[in-house]
Amino acid sequence: NAGVTQTPKFQVLKTGQSMTLQCAQDMNHEYMSWYRQDPGMGLRLIHYSVGAGITDQGEVPNGYNVSRSTTEDFPLRLLSAAPSQTSVYFCASTQTGREQFFGPGTRLTVL
Amino acid sequence: QKEVEQDPGPLSVPEGAIVSLNCTYSNSAFQYFMWYRQYSRKGPELLMYTYSSGNKEDGRFTAQVDKSSKYISLFIRDSQPSDSATYLCAMSAGRPMRAAGNKLTFGGGTRVLVKP
Repeated sequence: NAGVTQTPKFQVLKTGQSMTLQCAQDMNHEYMSWYRQDPGMGLRLIHYSVGAGITDQGEVPNGYNVSRSTTEDFPLRLLSAAPSQTSVYFCASTQTGREQFFGPGTRLTVL
Repeated sequence: QKEVEQDPGPLSVPEGAIVSLNCTYSNSAFQYFMWYRQYSRKGPELLMYTYSSGNKEDGRFTAQVDKSSKYISLFIRDSQPSDSATYLCAMSAGRPMRAAGNKLTFGGGTRVLVKP
């Protein structure tokens, strides 16, 4: 099993550009989440999904969209990138809720 | 004020020492408490998972929860250089992510350096 994979590993955007961060898991987990990690702020939940076709907002959803058309994939879309979205983004999945399995992260810089 | 507070460190200790980490929180509804370890440029990985109050031990790691004081701790015995990482506490009111609203709230993380 590859676990949770994320692409790209690094990305540099200009203000106003849009892009999609990809996340996939091969563990057949129902629950998937997107977090951002900023220095001293810990991980903050952006959006999450409790199953295919079902998504909801987390703590910091503004400027991001998600969809969940399959169990495996949970892409995160930045609509119009802003410097405040410079961060490290982690995707996670879980089936039981006991353990979140995190991907390796995407490091995003918005100039 | 943040819901979960954690000293950012760095906490530097000699190899073999006991590492003591803690988090305080303000939400009395939290019942599930976790510690994650994060190596540099990697995703977090679960170390310890506890429900409600009490102690839990797993090898060199001991997690303690004191709900009356809203305080949780992680102790690492016989620390090794490989324990050098950032340790994040996390907590939720319900079984994490099993239902809408049972989101995890993370502390900011404590960076630990174990020197040989």
